[in-house]
Amino acid sequence: GQQLNQSPQSMFIQEGEDVSMNCTSSSIFNTWLWYKQDPGEGPVLLIALYKAGELTSNGRLTAQFGITRKDSFLNISASIPSDVGIYFCAGQEYNNDMRFGAGTRLTVKP
Amino acid sequence: DAGVTQSPTHLIKTRGQHVTLRCSPISGHKSVSWYQQVLGQGPQFIFQYYEKEERGRGNFPDRFSARQFPNYSSELNVNALLLGDSALYLCASSLPTGGLWNEQFFGPGTRLTVL
Repeated sequence: GQQLNQSPQSMFIQEGEDVSMNCTSSSIFNTWLWYKQDPGEGPVLLIALYKAGELTSNGRLTAQFGITRKDSFLNISASIPSDVGIYFCAGQEYNNDMRFGAGTRLTVKP
Repeated sequence: DAGVTQSPTHLIKTRGQHVTLRCSPISGHKSVSWYQQVLGQGPQFIFQYYEKEERGRGNFPDRFSARQFPNYSSELNVNALLLGDSALYLCASSLPTGGLWNEQFFGPGTRLTVL
């Protein structure tokens, strides 16, 4: 199946700093999604991207659907302690199978 | 409104046993998907059901099966458990929107440990 490579695996940042993480795929997806997962909970959808080149914001979060449809990035500006968690990218094909990356674990130091 | 609910929250089984996990979708949602999340990895797609019919299947052995009931709740069954089946099993429900079931809402998961 398609492989999603998500990087970095983990990040340790100071409160107030900006964060950037990305995801690349060996093949094309028609939708890219970004989720956040807190301990003991299921993933929560942050941003969904439906069109190549699309740039979408949700508060301090901004994500882009790469032009080649094989990549996406997520930026978090002015990080706060509650941003701590694991962020997953996911790509969805036309048959609705959704593939997840391995996650980026974010730690924010106050 | 209640979100996606799953039961049980935790489960311990031994190798060779059988397990049934349950999921209730958000009211009004007709599609349910199941995912396996091994520690340190992202969720892996197992099944998707819509209107009681299987609409998608991931790369899992036949020991894994599922069904959806008329009230849209769902069960995931795993037979002949292996140690490697230990994972968090996530259920997600969604409404079809324009043919794409993107807005999947996840439950808290069932933590299965196989000894």
